[in-house]
Amino acid sequence: AQTVTQSQPEMSVQEAETVTLSCTYDTSESDYYLFWYKQPPSRQMILVIRQEAYKQQNATENRFSVNFQKAAKSFSLKISDSQLGDAAMYFCAYRRWGFGNEKLTFGTGTRLTIIP
Amino acid sequence: DTEVTQTPKHLVMGMTNKKSLKCEQHMGHRAMYWYKQKAKKPPELMFVYSYEKLSINESVPSRFSPECPNSSLLNLHLHALQPEDSALYLCASSQGPVRRTSTDTQYFGPGTRLTVL
Repeated sequence: AQTVTQSQPEMSVQEAETVTLSCTYDTSESDYYLFWYKQPPSRQMILVIRQEAYKQQNATENRFSVNFQKAAKSFSLKISDSQLGDAAMYFCAYRRWGFGNEKLTFGTGTRLTIIP
Repeated sequence: DTEVTQTPKHLVMGMTNKKSLKCEQHMGHRAMYWYKQKAKKPPELMFVYSYEKLSINESVPSRFSPECPNSSLLNLHLHALQPEDSALYLCASSQGPVRRTSTDTQYFGPGTRLTVL
């Protein structure tokens, strides 16, 4: 079974600084998808960024980027120029490749605090 | 537009009540999901509907009954719940298994906060 580990229950960063959230996963599959979701106090889960395992290039979305290390099974999220609105719980998630594999396996989350 | 709507936002019910949660999306997605999330925990998958057919049931107790009347709507019927069922219930939708290379990203609604007394 696949597992996703987020080893940092809480992180904090000064506004405008850069922070990296870590995520590791365990799988025997070679093709899969990885996601970062954020959940602010409003509780809505919002997609931050996604990565297909077959793509070697790291995904980026504006101030958010990932460092995908397939051999190390690592998928860290870097947030540049942190803003107060980035404060949230961040979940890393894994999904198997292919039809019928809709289940997302989530990590336990990292709570990010932004210090003004 | 990546909007999934859920009603109601909050629900308080007694253990003998029958109530329903509603989820709607108009993105043309063909897969819809129910998750349960307890405080400070990640979401746990309950059910998946793919092309309006139940494709995954994660051994959820029968007091939770899902229904997918059409491709845009997903309901969760609640009956004889227990206080430990109090949680945030999240609905999500995704394009569905149209291509093997598709990430089939799930988009979530704002959730219904359920309290069972």
